Amino acid sequence: EAQVTQNPRYLITVTGKKLTVTCSQNMNHEYMSWYRQDPGLGLRQIYYSMNVEVTDKGDVPEGYKVSRKEKRNFPLILESPSPNQTSLYFCATGRTGDGYTFGSGTRLTVV
Amino acid sequence: LAKTTQPISMDSYEGQEVNITCSHNNIATNDYITWYQQFPSQGPRFIIQGYKTKVTNEVASLFIPADRKSSTLSLPRVSLSDTAVYYCLVGDMEGYSSASKIIFGSGTRLSIRP
Repeated sequence: EAQVTQNPRYLITVTGKKLTVTCSQNMNHEYMSWYRQDPGLGLRQIYYSMNVEVTDKGDVPEGYKVSRKEKRNFPLILESPSPNQTSLYFCATGRTGDGYTFGSGTRLTVV
Repeated sequence: LAKTTQPISMDSYEGQEVNITCSHNNIATNDYITWYQQFPSQGPRFIIQGYKTKVTNEVASLFIPADRKSSTLSLPRVSLSDTAVYYCLVGDMEGYSSASKIIFGSGTRLSIRP
């Protein structure tokens, strides 16, 4: 079954404590992306990756890092989380013609 | 970048056909048009994708005029479970277009009443 797996589903952390949200896909897609979703602001793209070792900034990359060492994995790293990064995060993968498949989401709270 | 504009909200009734139009005036040559459905606290779900003319699948139809500056998602005979936010996206995941960012607009909140 085609899947995008995000972990964890829920996370509460404190300001400044580094964290990583993992994302893995089993569809062999080259394109992967991270979004955050906040009430009234819709889905905003953080980073995307066209292929292994190829990443680029989306609309709201500040405060985030990503890496793409393998095709299937695209972790999102918050080196020093702040309360304004409290949000619902989605990882997605896809290819032209197939559209996106999204993960189940990670609800992050930074206190 | 190809930005999209959709109505903020729409209301309809069960059994009706619903048409949601999206404007994307600066769509690039290699961009596809894709529509997604999202329920609260869930990731968006792919509905339909097209490049030009008309595309139909088991849940919806997508109409794209020749100039590709707009598109219309058509949902036949909606039910209460179709209440959701619908997003129109334009973009290209293959990297051939400069608009490799896939930008979500604000979406259309569709409410279906009995």
